[in-house]
Amino acid sequence: GAVVSQHPSWVICKSGTSVKIECRSLDFQATTMFWYRQFPKQSLMLMATSNEGSKATYEQGVEKDKFLINHASLTLSTLTVTSAHPEDSSFYICSAPRGVRPGDTQYFGPGTRLTVL
Amino acid sequence: AQSVTQLDSQVPVFEEAPVELRCNYSSSVSVYLFWYVQYPNQGLQLLLKYLSGSTLVKGINGFEAEFNKSQTSFHLRKPSVHISDTAEYFCAVSQGGSEKLVFGKGTKLTVNP
Repeated sequence: GAVVSQHPSWVICKSGTSVKIECRSLDFQATTMFWYRQFPKQSLMLMATSNEGSKATYEQGVEKDKFLINHASLTLSTLTVTSAHPEDSSFYICSAPRGVRPGDTQYFGPGTRLTVL
Repeated sequence: AQSVTQLDSQVPVFEEAPVELRCNYSSSVSVYLFWYVQYPNQGLQLLLKYLSGSTLVKGINGFEAEFNKSQTSFHLRKPSVHISDTAEYFCAVSQGGSEKLVFGKGTKLTVNP
């Protein structure tokens, strides 16, 4: 089956630093990838849609200058949390649909646990 | 706006018992419906999805779900669970024509021996 990887799986950083999280589709190409944030015992909240070759689309309430997204190739999207603060601590998950039609199965990465001290 | 409600945050059952995980959604337009499972330290995996056609959808690992438009529900069922089914289950919906998924809060299924 299709595989999506994320790196790192966990990261601890100091307040004020920036952290980059990578999302890769290992055996298929994805023109679109999605970034989610998950708080403990809560659902996944869509943060933004990453588009290969163009700007990301952010959901309402998500600061685009704080969460920088770059979709550098058809297999790689990165999320950079800039000037991280403790409230940014969370579980970040990416997904990529295999196919271009709505309803095509999305494949999820295993997630990245970010802890900001 | 779409929303998804999973009425049970935790469901404990005994092995070989049947289980139903409930999911209701709200949307004023046609939707696609999904159930995902998340095992510890793993990414979400698709169990099944409803796009159109037969309202009874069969998925992997013996799970099935029924789309009920009048009740705006998409409950997940399995007639006999195994300990290996212990996991978190998420119901999700996308508006027809969109790839964006809206998730419920998840239901933690614990299967006890």
